Amino acid sequence: DIVMTQSPDSLAVSLGERATISCRSGQSVLYSSDNKNYLAWYQQKPRQPPKLLIRWASTRESGVPDRFSGSGSGTDFTLTISSLQAEDVAVYYCQQYYSNPSFGGGTKVEIK
Amino acid sequence: QVQVVQSGAEVKTPGASVKLSCKAYGYRFTSYTMHWVRQAPGQSLDWMGWVNVGDGNTKYSQKFQGRVTITRDTSGNTAYMELRSLKSEDTALYYCALCNGWSPFDYWGQGTMVTVSS
Repeated sequence: DIVMTQSPDSLAVSLGERATISCRSGQSVLYSSDNKNYLAWYQQKPRQPPKLLIRWASTRESGVPDRFSGSGSGTDFTLTISSLQAEDVAVYYCQQYYSNPSFGGGTKVEIK
Repeated sequence: QVQVVQSGAEVKTPGASVKLSCKAYGYRFTSYTMHWVRQAPGQSLDWMGWVNVGDGNTKYSQKFQGRVTITRDTSGNTAYMELRSLKSEDTALYYCALCNGWSPFDYWGQGTMVTVSS
């Protein structure tokens, strides 16, 4: 199984400032035949199921604000919230779907 | 509009089994996979396995192999997850999540809380 490691565990960011979350996979999730990274990002708010934000490492889902962006390839990935809003307070998870799915440990984003 | 609706909360004693259900509404594809993921209180997400609603094929996480069975009914509208030999550590929120092909989880159920306590 592919182990996903996120950092930091939590971060506090001022409103309007940038939040950056890292995710590292234990092996590459870049599939050579289609050149796609099988990496997704989810947002989970209290008492709600996770919500898919980004697939293929950088493709935003319909309706997701453009302040959310994903980048990276192979084993190292980043989720960036360019200008943190109050409604972005949540726990964020990365997930690989290259093989049997696995999730990172989560990063809790709070307002400073 | 796609909706994934799960069965209600369960309370079980150690050693018992639990069987949860999950139904998708409004999904236009006849074949998709339904995954089960659990989340212990304050913890991350733990993938358990999936069933292909179209053909009934399954795959399980090694962590739960031998203790979990995921099925779907013959009409293909509902998926089930049975977990046996329950322990207190199985107390968690159990989610089902739907995806089409080899993709992330597009739609999630609301979750079913399972409490294992003597």
